[in-house]
Amino acid sequence: DSGVTQTPKHLITATGQRVTLRCSPRSGDLSVYWYQQSLDQGLQFLIHYYNGEERAKGNILERFSAQQFPDLHSELNLSSLELGDSALYFCASSLNGNHLRTAYGYTFGSGTRLTVV
Amino acid sequence: DQQVKQNSPSLSVQEGRISILNCDYTNSMFDYFLWYKKYPAEGPTFLISISSIKDKNEDGRFTVFLNKSAKHLSLHIVPSQPGDSAVYFCAATRTSGSRLTFGEGTQLTVNP
Repeated sequence: DSGVTQTPKHLITATGQRVTLRCSPRSGDLSVYWYQQSLDQGLQFLIHYYNGEERAKGNILERFSAQQFPDLHSELNLSSLELGDSALYFCASSLNGNHLRTAYGYTFGSGTRLTVV
Repeated sequence: DQQVKQNSPSLSVQEGRISILNCDYTNSMFDYFLWYKKYPAEGPTFLISISSIKDKNEDGRFTVFLNKSAKHLSLHIVPSQPGDSAVYFCAATRTSGSRLTFGEGTQLTVNP
């Protein structure tokens, strides 16, 4: 158990629907990162939150949004889902805003597998 | 634009032999590199890293080599063990930033 909790583990939904993925960071970590891994691809950076504020944004679609709450958990909202949104979505956390200061990079959760049918 | 590439989707080695996983990058602004290991149904876990000011970093059976002029890094595992069988991701970043850019991963299989 890495200490980063992602729920649900699996999600199957229809095109056009909206889903929310949840992430609880490791205790004491202030940063949360979201990554998407599509089939046979590397992890693609989506967004980074630090202590409730957006810090960096990657190639995140406008249909996707995220937020980090005062208790530091984060939610990734995916709307108007398309077949191509099927992927593994990973959340990671780190102690502070620059992951490298931890000397060990991120700590990843086990991911949410989203299947859009 | 794939800035980090792992050209070998898979690698198979015998237990006790050396495993060499390769990674190439194109962005010269990257100055820190990491390797992650991923088992099925788990998230990636940090393995080893190297700063661009070094050309080698060693941690037990794992050694990462960095060739900046060639924009190439490699991970050596010696000796390889069946428990090392996993997908290995190379990642690169700028120390001033927060995002990691990952390669596609290499599936390593270590045969007993």
